Formats: sequence, structure tokens, C-alpha cells
Amino acid sequence: DTAVSQTPKYLVTQMGNDKSIKCEQNLGHDTMYWYKQDSKKFLKIMFSYNNKELIINETVPNRFSPKSPDKAHLNLHINSLELGDSAVYFCASSHQGLGGYTFGSGTRLTVV
Amino acid sequence: QQQVKQSPQSLIVQKGGISIINCAYENTAFDYFPWYQQFPGKGPALLIAIRPDVSEKKEGRFTISFNKSAKQFSLHIMDSQPGDSATYFCAASIRNAGNMLTFGGGTRLMVKP
Repeated sequence: DTAVSQTPKYLVTQMGNDKSIKCEQNLGHDTMYWYKQDSKKFLKIMFSYNNKELIINETVPNRFSPKSPDKAHLNLHINSLELGDSAVYFCASSHQGLGGYTFGSGTRLTVV
Repeated sequence: QQQVKQSPQSLIVQKGGISIINCAYENTAFDYFPWYQQFPGKGPALLIAIRPDVSEKKEGRFTISFNKSAKQFSLHIMDSQPGDSATYFCAASIRNAGNMLTFGGGTRLMVKP
């Protein structure tokens, strides 16, 4: 039973399109995150979200938006996709204040 | 501005040797320092973590050494094995302020048989 699952695993789309990546966790964690891993493997926080608070990394373009229907889900919506958005996107979850994350297996987004 | 700096970028070690990866941080408010291991095509997996009130933590062949005054911490992999070949990331966070991990740039470790 996968703890943090993301779909789709691969996503190829054209510039200008709008797309979504879904994330679900079954660990009962109260906080979820989205990270972007670029071609050089650098991992960068995009969002942190729990029931009370959304924290946005100020460098993230407002074309990216998280949507959380409930505690177990945090989806990532991306509008007007650009070539530079091509990367691997990871969802993760943790308990607030406890530190350790569990990551999903990633979604490789390719914008052509 | 990179708040967590990791070195080396790549490392080759013979089987049975010791792998050492170093990290330095800037923000003294960080209170949680984990190491993650990532295999190709997979998400990062938590390997071992330390809080700043201890100077060393050991779990099996993996040891974190932490130097609060120098704002540095390191990962030691004893008796390195080919199966340890992966990318390793250090990270740091403030647990009660969103707990957002700031990652180092990663170290690609190759253990030769």
C-alpha cells in the first residue's frame, strides 16, 4: 500500500496548456508539500500546506497553485505551461513539528 | 542564496570504504537536519536525521556528525556497498514554522565493487 502516491508518473504536454498533478497520502499526516527537482537534481520547495496554513515559496510563479480537497490530498495545478516548467515534481507529507517527510515517487513533466 | 551547501558533488568509493559527505548551513533557526537517499526514478527516502542538541547519531552503517558552532554536519557511510550507490541530499528545516525542508545540492555516490 503506497504511502504517498502521485499521478500521473509521466506527463508530456505543449506550451500554454493547463495541467494538474494529483497527490494522495494514507499516512494520516497533517502537512503536505510540493517540491520541484530540476535537471541538476536540485530540490526546491514550492508549497507547504496543512488545514490551517498555506505557505508559498515566493519564487514560485502564480501560474502554480495547490488545491487541497481534504487532509489526504494536495493537487498541483499549473496554468500556461512554459518550457522551463519541465522537471520532476515531488509530493511529500509529514506531521507538523516532527520533521521527517515521506516523498512520493515523482511526476516527470515535459513541456514541448 | 543557497542556505544549505553540500559537498562534494560526486564521490567514488571502493567497496568497504568510508563515504563522507559534508553540509554547511547559514540559518541558525534550523532545528532539524535529515539526510535523504534517492535512487534513479524514485523519490527521496529519509535515511537518518539529527537535532542540534546532539553531536552524533548512528544508525547501522550510517552516522551523522553535527557541529553546531561551525554550522556544519556530515554523513558517514561505513563499509560502503555497491547498493549504497545513489544520490544523497542533506537538508534542514524549522519544524514548527511550516517544516519546509531546504535541501543541499546533492552528492552522487558511486561505490565500486
